[in-house]
Amino acid sequence: NAGVTQTPKFQVLKTGQSMTLQCAQDMNHEYMSWYRQDPGMGLRLIHYSVGAGITDQGEVPNGYNVSRSTTEDFPLRLLSAAPSQTSVYFCASAREPEAFFGQGTRLTVV
Amino acid sequence: DQQVKQNSPSLSVQEGRISILNCDYTNSMFDYFLWYKKYPAEGPTFLISISSIKDKNEDGRFTVFLNKSAKHLSLHIVPSQPGDSAVYFCAASDRDMRFGAGTRLTVKP
Repeated sequence: NAGVTQTPKFQVLKTGQSMTLQCAQDMNHEYMSWYRQDPGMGLRLIHYSVGAGITDQGEVPNGYNVSRSTTEDFPLRLLSAAPSQTSVYFCASAREPEAFFGQGTRLTVV
Repeated sequence: DQQVKQNSPSLSVQEGRISILNCDYTNSMFDYFLWYKKYPAEGPTFLISISSIKDKNEDGRFTVFLNKSAKHLSLHIVPSQPGDSAVYFCAASDRDMRFGAGTRLTVKP
């Protein structure tokens, strides 16, 4: 019973590099989202999707892209990493009203 | 704009006593309010929720109260146990889900 699976768990990037954080869920949830957690800031919504082919911006979308080609997958792309994107990233899928979170990806940009 | 606010970064209580965590929100369109619990190096896990049409929801030791006129909700934990020590996030949902900054609860034996 996997739930929400995020990969990788840890990543170090150099400034300007690109990468994709993977997120997959096996609960057939339509709603998926990405958050970043920073000290004192809580969880801030980056992007979300209400179904395959539909995405929308959250509170802090700049520097991130998403796509939703299938119900199961919702990858988050950093096109040109910046030190300000050092954070812990959480993917979630939701069946109203409850959200289920992955274990998180700790990203460091140097 | 921070639509969900938790103004207390930390709370310390004695085992067996009541823990009260508070949350304020600004968007009157939210239709569900939730509390999540988070341990270090793990994702948040759902604890309890309340619909905007209710003012109280209880689940064992956990009770959530909603005051819509004040745009305020609170989580009561009675009795508090050392295993309750974690960061608690308040969340509110409409089309998307917004979170507060979290309150670190420490329950001392």
